[in-house]
Amino acid sequence: EIVLTQSPATLSLSPGERATLSCKASQTLSRHLAWYQQKPAQAPRLLIYDASSRATGIPARFSGSGSGTDFTLTISSLEPEDFAVYFCQEGVTFGGGTKVEIK
Amino acid sequence: QVQLQESGPGLVKPSQTLSLTCTVSGVSISRGNHYWSWIRQHPEKGLEWIGYIYYSGSTYYNPSLKSRVIISIDTSENQFSLNLSSMTAADTAVYYCARRGSGNHFDFWGRGTLVTVSS
Repeated sequence: EIVLTQSPATLSLSPGERATLSCKASQTLSRHLAWYQQKPAQAPRLLIYDASSRATGIPARFSGSGSGTDFTLTISSLEPEDFAVYFCQEGVTFGGGTKVEIK
Repeated sequence: QVQLQESGPGLVKPSQTLSLTCTVSGVSISRGNHYWSWIRQHPEKGLEWIGYIYYSGSTYYNPSLKSRVIISIDTSENQFSLNLSSMTAADTAVYYCARRGSGNHFDFWGRGTLVTVSS
């Protein structure tokens, strides 16, 4: 069973800053890793699939990278609407999430 | 535009069976290469995959829930359903239906429905 570990648990940043979120897998993945954004009282929204492909309508400031066991979601310049919780996913396993909060 | 909408009771008594339905619009549920899924989220916690069903009726369940879960599909109504038996307080969560697309990711989600288990 794959375990996905996300870090940090909480990231405190200001608007305009760069956010770097990590997702580490317990075993080598097939590059089908996905990233989701979830805001309070909303369903998760697909941001990135296949490690680096942006989903439809997702702004270019969101990018995904990585391979093997180490994957990264980068938000190049935080907008006010980007403060949320982010999850990674592979197969039927989700990471524990990283909360990006306003500093 | 693909849309999913969960429906069902918001309150279930301990030991009862939860029954939820997901109504899909914007796409035929019987078009191939999609897995129709149930995922839940305990309060202030992460996401837990419950299971999914293919349009043919093939099902795949989380091993930790497998003994209590049945997912079924009704292609004539463009719906799929979740039955989770022997509910306890530990099953209190927001339940989402979602589509796993041709890739490995969940591309469309319902808004979720909070299910509370309490007498």
